[in-house]
Amino acid sequence: EVQLLESGGALVQPGGSLRLSCAASGFTYSNYAMSWVRQAPGKGLEWVSAISGRGGDTYYGDSVKGRFTISRDNSKNTLSLQMNSLRAEDTAMYYCTFRGTSGRGYWGQGTLVSVSS
Amino acid sequence: DIQMTQSPSSVSASVGDRVTVTCRAGQDISTWLSWYQQKPGKAPKLLIYAASSLLSGVSSRFSGSGSGTDFTLTISNLQPEDSATYYCQQTNSFPGTFGQGTRLEIK
Repeated sequence: EVQLLESGGALVQPGGSLRLSCAASGFTYSNYAMSWVRQAPGKGLEWVSAISGRGGDTYYGDSVKGRFTISRDNSKNTLSLQMNSLRAEDTAMYYCTFRGTSGRGYWGQGTLVSVSS
Repeated sequence: DIQMTQSPSSVSASVGDRVTVTCRAGQDISTWLSWYQQKPGKAPKLLIYAASSLLSGVSSRFSGSGSGTDFTLTISNLQPEDSATYYCQQTNSFPGTFGQGTRLEIK
């Protein structure tokens, strides 16, 4: 069974940093690109970042480019999102996701990031 | 980036009605299109993937169609539990853009 378990969400001050993690199991992790998606309170879904299966290619949304860094450890089946220079507008639930071969999407339950003084 | 235009933004319908939500992609995405249902305080729930494949366990009242740039989610025989917000997402390329969402209210 595919499982994605996010962690690392917390309350942080504006300008601060936070590192999110996602532990993956139940599939051949290194075969799949992984993504982060977020949802601010009362807002729609926003794609944040992605990384290729081997980690050589990374992608970022315009709102986080230059501040967030995505990475993965295929030996530990983990995905990370290093978030720097956090802003109030980064407050959101962050989800770890990937698209299976058939096109089916898999999501974790999310981890909450709150940016506030 | 591929823009996803979803309509309507909200719809109100009665139990037993049929509702259609549309999603238009800014360029050809083949059938790399998913539909999600989200209820308040919950994570998005996948309904349809690859434009028309119904996820196992999801009610057959939900169906998806389309390819290329135009896609449709149809909910038949509306039930009270269908009250939710529905999103489309293109998974053809990064960024995996979402539609703006459609809020469905059951009268």
